[in-house]
Amino acid sequence: DSGVTQTPKHLITATGQRVTLRCSPRSGDLSVYWYQQSLDQGLQFLIQYYNGEERAKGNILERFSAQQFPDLHSELNLSSLELGDSALYFCASSPSAAEQFFGPGTRLTVL
Amino acid sequence: AQSVTQLDSQVPVFEEAPVELRCNYSSSVSVYLFWYVQYPNQGLQLLLKYLSGSTLVKGINGFEAEFNKSQTSFHLRKPSVHISDTAEYFCAVSEQNAGNMLTFGGGTRLMVKP
Repeated sequence: DSGVTQTPKHLITATGQRVTLRCSPRSGDLSVYWYQQSLDQGLQFLIQYYNGEERAKGNILERFSAQQFPDLHSELNLSSLELGDSALYFCASSPSAAEQFFGPGTRLTVL
Repeated sequence: AQSVTQLDSQVPVFEEAPVELRCNYSSSVSVYLFWYVQYPNQGLQLLLKYLSGSTLVKGINGFEAEFNKSQTSFHLRKPSVHISDTAEYFCAVSEQNAGNMLTFGGGTRLMVKP
C-alpha cells in the first residue's frame, strides 16, 4: 500500500459525459501528479500540482482539467468524453524531487 | 525532452534463470532513473532508483540495476527469477530540476515459466 488513494476504482460512462477522478496523496506530500495509461499511448504524464498550484503540464487534452485543494487532495476532470479516453488514470504523490508513489488507479471505460 | 526505450516488449524466462530487462534513455540534462513494476490490475510499485553516487543500485525483491552514463542505459537484472516476478516492468526517467515528471518506456512484460 503506497498510501495514495484514488476513487472510484472503476468508472463506466458514455461518450459526451463528464467525470471526476479523485486522489488523496500520502500524508505530508505536497506534489501530486496525474498519469494516463492506455494501450495506444502507454504511460503518459498529464499534469502536476504542488501545494495547490499547477507546476507542469504534459500531454493533457483541453477537455481535461485538474485542481489541487487546500487539503492537498486533487481532482482530475474529464469532459466531452470520447471512446479513446478509456484508460487507467493514476495519481502519484511525491515527498521530494526524487520519488513518486502511485495510487491503485481509476479504470475509466467510455462506451 | 527526454525519452525512454525499453528494447524488449516481452521477455519469457524459466523459473530460477537470470534475467536482464533493457532500458536506454536520452536526455540533454542530468536525470534520475527508476524502475517500476506493475502486477496485473494493480498500480505501479517502485523497484529501485538511481539518483547519484554508486552506479549499481539494489532494489526490492532481489532486483538490481546499473547506470551506464556513456551508454545512457539503466538495465534491470535479477540472478534468479520466481514465478511471482511475472509482471510488467517500466523504466522511467525524470530530468533533475525540471519538475520531476516521469517519462516512461513502453514496458517489458516478464513472463516466468515453471
